Amino acid sequence: GAVVSQHPSRVICKSGTSVKIECRSLDFQATTMFWYRQFPKQSLMLMATSNEGSKATYEQGVEKDKFLINHASLTLSTLTVTSAHPEDSSFYICSGSVADRGNYGYTFGSGTRLTVV
Amino acid sequence: SQKIEQNSEALNIQEGKTATLTCNYTNYSPAYLQWYRQDPGRGPVFLLLIRENEKEKRKERLKVTFDTTLKQSLFHITASQPADSATYLCALSNSGYSTLTFGKGTMLLVSP
Repeated sequence: GAVVSQHPSRVICKSGTSVKIECRSLDFQATTMFWYRQFPKQSLMLMATSNEGSKATYEQGVEKDKFLINHASLTLSTLTVTSAHPEDSSFYICSGSVADRGNYGYTFGSGTRLTVV
Repeated sequence: SQKIEQNSEALNIQEGKTATLTCNYTNYSPAYLQWYRQDPGRGPVFLLLIRENEKEKRKERLKVTFDTTLKQSLFHITASQPADSATYLCALSNSGYSTLTFGKGTMLLVSP
């Protein structure tokens, strides 16, 4: 089945620094990648949708200059949290979608636990 | 605004029994409803997808129903096992590959 590999699984960074999270689709081409954030005991909240080769579409309230998304190839999407603050500490998850996978749900990465100190 | 409600309290059941989880939604007419399993510190894993014109779907010990009149889906796990203990998420979408809207999930605890 389709696999999305997400790295790192955990990262601790200092306030003001930037962190990059990578998601790779291993055995399929992800034309669309979704990025979510999940706070404890809360649902997954969609942050942005990225399509390969074009600019990401951000959900209302998500700062595009703070959460930089790059989807330069069909197998790699990255999320960079710039100038991180403690309130950015959360669980970040990516999800891959390809046009013919609609019948089978989406494939999620294993998530990245970001802690900003 | 769209709202998805899942049992907020954890569901505790004994091994071998059938677990039934509920997903209710309002202000939404989804074409697709999906169920995912999420273990602590991990991403969701897809379980089942059901379309608006389908009443019921089964996969091994799992069964999902979708009632668009009641705006409700029920998720059943028969012959439950301790390994089924996890949080189960309900997610809605307008198409097979449009954005998903997730509920908060229900934690299921199956005791031996």
